[in-house]
This record gives sequence, structure tokens and C-alpha cells, in this order.
Amino acid sequence: GAGVSQSPSNKVTEKGKDVELRCDPISGHTALYWYRQSLGQGLEFLIYFQGNSAPDKSGLPSDRFSAERTGGSVSTLTIQRTQQEDSAVYLCASSFTGGWGQPQHFGDGTRLSIL
Amino acid sequence: ELKVEQNPLFLSMQEGKNYTIYCNYSTTSDRLYWYRQDPGKSLESLFVLLSNGAVKQEGRLMASLDTKARLSTLHITAAVHDLSATYFCAVPSNFGNEKLTFGTGTRLTIIP
Repeated sequence: GAGVSQSPSNKVTEKGKDVELRCDPISGHTALYWYRQSLGQGLEFLIYFQGNSAPDKSGLPSDRFSAERTGGSVSTLTIQRTQQEDSAVYLCASSFTGGWGQPQHFGDGTRLSIL
Repeated sequence: ELKVEQNPLFLSMQEGKNYTIYCNYSTTSDRLYWYRQDPGKSLESLFVLLSNGAVKQEGRLMASLDTKARLSTLHITAAVHDLSATYFCAVPSNFGNEKLTFGTGTRLTIIP
């Protein structure tokens, strides 16, 4: 597609439920990143994919968070047993190869609210 | 651990005035990115600065990078209302991928 697409745009769920957030990167981009934006913590890196592999998962805050990417394209971020502190905007970004000096292109994000 | 600091956090300016946003970072990096975010929207890439002394200009915005001082500036000239937004600087990792560490953001409000 023309840009990075994320769905859903908004998600409200009860504490303890599992959620899945989807990211469709720009066609042909091999590098994909997930970030989280919250009032208290600002913008934080979560995970980086190169193709279907995730060589850097260092930003995932707990083992309740996981992500996968299939076909070198769509990625899903899963949060299990959601907690209120998981409430944030989850942003996905992609770049052509993830190489030096390539700007990341961001989607509109998924606003996640945990009740 | 890489830390990126921006100041000011909030900036209220009159139209027509000039101002500068500062971005300091704690570890060596030879490149830096600036992004703009409108309320409720995502991040839009503004500038990619790829070397010491790099200067980029787009309209009323000009960004520069001093890698020795670990400092980037975003200068606004003769501000207009449609520049109101939050501006973020971001520094990429030096370790194998370009994951970004973002500054705290500067919320800019242009007053008529």
C-alpha cells in the first residue's frame, strides 16, 4: 500500500484479556519496528523485524508481549493478560532495508485502552 | 544507555517570531532524525541528518547536526500557525539496527 497501515485504530478491552494489533508495512520494506507512545514514558522502542526474524526484542516490557511477522510483510503484536499500564498508542514503522540513514515511516497507530 | 533530551518541552510563540528547539544526546551518533506529530496523528518524517555539520531546510524549518557536541537544533523562522505540532528528535542505535531513541518532544503552539 501507499503507507503503513495499522488496525484496529482504537481498541478498548478489559484487564486480563488478550489483544492483537496488526501492522501492514509499506510494500517492499523489509525492516519493521514497533514502538509504544504513552504519557508517562514517551516514545519507546519495542521490537525490530528484518524480514520474518526479530533480531532485537530488547524493548518488549514483559513476557506478556510477543510479536511475529509472516511473509516478510504483516506483523502482529500480541499482548496477553492485559494490564492497565499497557494502555498506550502502539505505533508501527517500516523502512526499506533498515539500513543506515533510512527514515522510518510510521502508521497512524492503535490506541489501546485497558479498563 | 542512550539518552535523548529535548528542550523546551513546551513552546508558545507568536506568529512571525523565530525560535530554536534543542536536542542533546548522550552517546556518539553520526545521524539524527526529526519528526513532526499533529494531535491524534502519527509521526511524519521531517529531516534526516547524516553527518557532522549537516544542515537541511524545508520552508520555515531548518535542522542542523553537530556530532561532536552531540547536539541538533531545529530552527523555526517567522512562525506561522500551521507549524503548531509536537516535534521529536530521534537518534538511531549504533548496534546493528536503526531502532530509534526519541527525545521527549517539544509541543509548539503558534499564537496569532
